Amino acid sequence: AQSVTQLDSHVSVSEGTPVLLRCNYSSSYSPSLFWYVQHPNKGLQLLLKYTSAATLVKGINGFEAEFKKSETSFHLTKPSAHMSDAAEYFCVVSDNTGGFKTIFGAGTRLFVKA
Amino acid sequence: KAGVTQTPRYLIKTRGQQVTLSCSPISGHRSVSWYQQTPGQGLQFLFEYFSETQRNKGNFPGRFSGRQFSNSRSEMNVSTLELGDSALYLCASSLQGAGEGETQYFGPGTRLLVL
Repeated sequence: AQSVTQLDSHVSVSEGTPVLLRCNYSSSYSPSLFWYVQHPNKGLQLLLKYTSAATLVKGINGFEAEFKKSETSFHLTKPSAHMSDAAEYFCVVSDNTGGFKTIFGAGTRLFVKA
Repeated sequence: KAGVTQTPRYLIKTRGQQVTLSCSPISGHRSVSWYQQTPGQGLQFLFEYFSETQRNKGNFPGRFSGRQFSNSRSEMNVSTLELGDSALYLCASSLQGAGEGETQYFGPGTRLLVL
């Protein structure tokens, strides 16, 4: 069965410091993995996705994530946080076992301090 | 291309009423999925429609239903509203479906308040 665990409900960083948002997943088959961002009162926007190509995936706004099958992880990183990165981030797993299923993690709220 | 649009953006209803929400996908997208987002439960998958057929369904009661039209526009209906149905309802579209590893494009959502 699929599942997604975002290990931190809140992360706080200072502007200009690195960001690490952690995600672990469980999937019976080769999953597709996504990170989405949701700014207040707005819809979700795709940051990046992994679909069994390169394990290091680069996304928009300087974000990247590495797929580690042995650790069943898909952590999101950014070298230097910007104030505009403050938002909620969702890790998502999707596969086609028993019909299309998409599972969202509980979300990690990122705070960026000036 | 225009993005995913949802109407209405805000809605206030009372318990026991029913409500219909609408979603227009990106042109050419045939898959439309619906999600419910609440502070307590997070984002939960309601159902997915593809070519006018419900392809998958989440764990919601039968009060939640949907349909898709031949132009891929989709509606979801909630009957006999309960206070707990207050939420942000998000619609997402993709070409063939997120199960194919595709990106889902989300609309801004409809915020439903049940009094």
